Amino acid sequence: EPEVTQTPSHQVTQMGQEVILRCVPISNHLYFYWYRQILGQKVEFLVSFYNNEISEKSEIFDDQFSVERPDGSNFTLKIRSTKLEDSAMYFCASTEDAGANVLTFGAGSRLTVL
Amino acid sequence: GNSVTQMEGPVTLSEEAFLTINCTYTATGYPSLFWYVQYPGEGLQLLLKATKADDKGSNKGFEATYRKETTSFHLEKGSVQVSDSAVYFCALSATNKLIFGTGTLLAVQP
Repeated sequence: EPEVTQTPSHQVTQMGQEVILRCVPISNHLYFYWYRQILGQKVEFLVSFYNNEISEKSEIFDDQFSVERPDGSNFTLKIRSTKLEDSAMYFCASTEDAGANVLTFGAGSRLTVL
Repeated sequence: GNSVTQMEGPVTLSEEAFLTINCTYTATGYPSLFWYVQYPGEGLQLLLKATKADDKGSNKGFEATYRKETTSFHLEKGSVQVSDSAVYFCALSATNKLIFGTGTLLAVQP
């Protein structure tokens, strides 16, 4: 069964460092998403991406965050200068039909900022 | 605004026990409602969904009914198995994205 692949599974970084989280969505999907979950809190929407541009972003997704689809397969989330409060599990998701809201999620990348 | 509230975990049950995980929502309009499940080491997977009031979503023995009058979408299963141990997330749709609850960890003991 097709799956969304995320790397790394766990990254530890120092505050102020740049981090790139990578995702390989399902090949025929057109809509891509990043969500995050701080430990013990809700899974929060960060950003959606379609046709090589951001469709929607939350207020969490400030200037420190960016997304990119550098080639035909990868979908990346970059955090320019990490803060302690960026420590969370980051989930990538994709779908072929945004209206149905049936997303396929990756296993997540755990980011720990020290 | 739109939000989802689900019961705190962990929920610990013995095999074959009855499961209920409560979920209530606040929404403008008429969202679709979902339960996603995350097994250890895996991504969130769609378990079931309901798109309008009084719809019942079901899958793998799990059920949830879209109750507009109580703004609820409680997840139930009549007889849980050890293999059901996972984190369960309630969610609603809002403008082409999902709004999730905090997740409820279910641990089923043999």
